[in-house]
Amino acid sequence: AQKITQTQPGMFVQEKEAVTLDCTYDTSDQSYGLFWYKQPSSGEMIFLIYQGSYDEQNATEGRYSLNFQKARKSANLVISASQLGDSAMYFCAMREGVGDDKIIFGKGTRLHILP
Amino acid sequence: GAGVSQSPRYKVAKRGQDVALRCDPISGHVSLFWYQQALGQGPEFLTYFQNEAQLDKSGLPSDRFFAERPEGSVSTLKIQRTQQEDSAVYLCASSRIAEDYNEQFFGPGTRLTVL
Repeated sequence: AQKITQTQPGMFVQEKEAVTLDCTYDTSDQSYGLFWYKQPSSGEMIFLIYQGSYDEQNATEGRYSLNFQKARKSANLVISASQLGDSAMYFCAMREGVGDDKIIFGKGTRLHILP
Repeated sequence: GAGVSQSPRYKVAKRGQDVALRCDPISGHVSLFWYQQALGQGPEFLTYFQNEAQLDKSGLPSDRFFAERPEGSVSTLKIQRTQQEDSAVYLCASSRIAEDYNEQFFGPGTRLTVL
């Protein structure tokens, strides 16, 4: 079974609109971390936001927020007021357990922002 | 710059050749990760070092893949007798040790094409 599922291969959104990128995860660990990364066409992986499994509040970083629904094992990324520069691949990822460990990535969602 | 650097950025190899990919982590980061990203996919974990110790190599796809970090800083990923299925972007990431959350900072990747 896939650990991270991103069901939207591609999305088209009008500039300045809000967009939600879906992510569900599968783990039996009680302690885990959830990440979102952005990968522009240049190829680098850019960290956007992190949510710990014990964090009671949804994480926010500027225009990015993570809609964490633990019971549903859902960790959707919300981008408010989208910009043309937001066009990129977006990866949801998970680290199981605590401390330092590998990150498991989903297959990604390609987001296109339309002018 | 102070980020993770990788070299070469692009590598073309004939099938059967050996290649060596280099990663320079952020100074002071004790953890180093290698990921393989096939075209259109999310990165997949290969191996992990804490200082010079290779703590996890469960993601290495075959014994043709070998990684080292002899002095706990620069790391080299070596692929022997390259095959076409080895064609991918190889990403290196580094992080500080933290008790809970730690962000992995990614390098720009090396795009390997095996002909």
